[in-house]
Amino acid sequence: AQSVTQPDIHITVSEGASLELRCNYSYGATPYLFWYVQSPGQGLQLLLKYFSGDTLVQGIKGFEAEFKRSQSSFNLRKPSVHWSDAAEYFCAVGAENQGGKLIFGQGTELSVKP
Amino acid sequence: NAGVMQNPRHLVRRRGQEARLRCSPMKGHSHVYWYRQLPEEGLKFMVYLQKENIIDESGMPKERFSAEFPKEGPSILRIQQVVRGDSAAYFCASSPLYQGDQPQHFGDGTRLSIL
Repeated sequence: AQSVTQPDIHITVSEGASLELRCNYSYGATPYLFWYVQSPGQGLQLLLKYFSGDTLVQGIKGFEAEFKRSQSSFNLRKPSVHWSDAAEYFCAVGAENQGGKLIFGQGTELSVKP
Repeated sequence: NAGVMQNPRHLVRRRGQEARLRCSPMKGHSHVYWYRQLPEEGLKFMVYLQKENIIDESGMPKERFSAEFPKEGPSILRIQQVVRGDSAAYFCASSPLYQGDQPQHFGDGTRLSIL
């Protein structure tokens, strides 16, 4: 069965520092991979997605993610974090044979200190 | 260009009552998904619907929960005889096509509290 693991429940970084949020998935074929961000009391906003092709994908708000098949990972990165990036980040996996159903990781809460 | 609209944003029910959560997908989207987010957890898939059809309800609890997406009007998630454990945020998402690579657009959710 497909699964998604986000090993870090909570991360704190200083404003201006770089960020990497980890995501590992378990799936037999090439999955469709997504990163979403959720601010408190809000819904989820899509940051970026990977379907095929270039394994480094660019998203909104300066985020990027790299698909590494050999490591079954899809880590999210940002070179310089802003205070407004404080939120919960979810990695999700979909697949052609499961329609549009997404499997989510448990999320990583990001705190940004001045 | 309205996004996915969910209402109400907050819903309070007493144990044993019924809860009805509504979701209007984005314009042009005919696929609706419901997810539940328990405190401190990620989102868990509940059900996937197209107009007048339930496509995948593998994540729905066997009892008390039902969902519909009629030809006209919003999608409805209904929870009968609510219990404390139903307290959660319920999110609706929509997409234009039946394809795994179509990103889903989420509403702001309905926070359900059971007294």
